Amino acid sequence: DAGVTQSPTHLIKTRGQQVTLRCSPKSGHDTVSWYQQALGQGPQFIFQYYEEEERQRGNFPDRFSGHQFPNYSSELNVNALLLGDSALYLCASSLGPSSGETQYFGPGTRLLVL
Amino acid sequence: AQSVAQPEDQVNVAEGNPLTVKCTYSVSGNPYLFWYVQYPNRGLQFLLKYITGDNLVKGSYGFEAEFNKSQTSFHLKKPSALVSDSALYFCAVRDWDTDKLIFGTGTRLQVFP
Repeated sequence: DAGVTQSPTHLIKTRGQQVTLRCSPKSGHDTVSWYQQALGQGPQFIFQYYEEEERQRGNFPDRFSGHQFPNYSSELNVNALLLGDSALYLCASSLGPSSGETQYFGPGTRLLVL
Repeated sequence: AQSVAQPEDQVNVAEGNPLTVKCTYSVSGNPYLFWYVQYPNRGLQFLLKYITGDNLVKGSYGFEAEFNKSQTSFHLKKPSALVSDSALYFCAVRDWDTDKLIFGTGTRLQVFP
């Protein structure tokens, strides 16, 4: 039973560029949440996807957008990259939104913006 | 607003000794609390959670946590620490309105031989 997978593992971009990160949820899960973890800090919630729609959103600008596909996998897109976007981006999956189920995290994608 | 606090940036303990990593919470309504562990260059691994019921919750790798409503605490414990337990530990609370997890700042646990 595969857990949450993310790709790529590492990524280097320059300011102003755009990036797409990918996530496949744990088998049987239908809800995907994205978090940003800056160095030395706890993860911060970006947004959550369920039934191919963004359900909830944290305090992140519109440069951050996402998508969920019919197979429940998800993408996180960040436009006009800033140096401050350098972080570990974590994807978490769970069964159903607001269900109280545990969120299981992937290994993350480490993004470096130069 | 819901929040959790981890008052210690780092906890040092000798192998074989008991360990405690502290977490306090502030919520409106019933708390739904989690502990996760993060090893270097890795994602978060789920250890345990409290929803309701017994105040002592048992989780993975021999860890347990004690929920204390009067002290609004959810401390992580292990009777006998291993060097391999050295990692970054995060306490989190579920926000019932948004389903997001709100994390503490993390506590680095160092177990020395």
